[in-house]
Amino acid sequence: GAVVSQHPSRVICKSGTSVKIECRSLDFQATTMFWYRQFPKQSLMLMATSNEGSKATYEQGVEKDKFLINHASLTLSTLTVTSAHPEDSSFYICSARTRGRIGVTDTQYFGPGTRLTVL
Amino acid sequence: TQLLEQSPQFLSIQEGENLTVYCNSSSVFSSLQWYRQEPGEGPVLLVTVVTGGEVKKLKRLTFQFGDARKDSSLHITAAQPGDTGLYLCAGIEGTYKYIFGTGTRLKVLA
Repeated sequence: GAVVSQHPSRVICKSGTSVKIECRSLDFQATTMFWYRQFPKQSLMLMATSNEGSKATYEQGVEKDKFLINHASLTLSTLTVTSAHPEDSSFYICSARTRGRIGVTDTQYFGPGTRLTVL
Repeated sequence: TQLLEQSPQFLSIQEGENLTVYCNSSSVFSSLQWYRQEPGEGPVLLVTVVTGGEVKKLKRLTFQFGDARKDSSLHITAAQPGDTGLYLCAGIEGTYKYIFGTGTRLKVLA
C-alpha cells in the first residue's frame, strides 16, 4: 500500500524558534496533501490543504503566516511553524491524496505524525 | 463548520463484550470512512462506505452507513484487547475534503 512518511517524528524546541515538518509520499505522487492538528485525546482538525505548485488553502481560524506550507513537488510538502509558542504544542499529521478519476472518492494515506513540544 | 459527533466518547469494556459506536451529522456526505488510531501514530483506514444503507464487515467489525448518508455505526463483536484505540469516523465532502468525527476512545480489558 501507499506509504507516507513524516520527519521528524518528535521535536522539542524553545519558544520563539521555527520548526519545519516534512511530509513525503514514498511510492506515489500526491497532487494534494493535507495537514491536520490533533490535541491530546481529541480528534483531527484540518488545518490546510496543499496543492502541488500552488498556495495552500487554510481552514478558518488557522493563521497562514504562522503555519507556512510549501508543496514544492508531487512527493513533498512541508509545514513550518514560525515563532512557535507553547500553545502550538500538538500532534501534527499529514496525509497525501493519490491521483484519482474525477468524481470518485480518492484515498488519503496518513503519515505517522509529528509530536511538537514547545518549551 | 460541519460537525461529526461520535458517541460514546469513551468506552471501557471487558474482553468478549460487544459494542457499538455511532457517528452522526446533520449533513450528507458523499462517503464515510472509519479509522483506528494508536497513540503516537497516524490513523489507519478500516473501511469506506459509499452507498446509503451499505453494510460492510471486516472480521468482527461491522460498519453501516445510514440510508440518508448522514450517519454511520461501527459494531464490534467479542471485543479483544487488540481492539483498544481511538476510533474516528470521517465524512467526505465531494471527493477529498475530510471532516473527522469527535472520536471514541475504546479500551478493552483482558
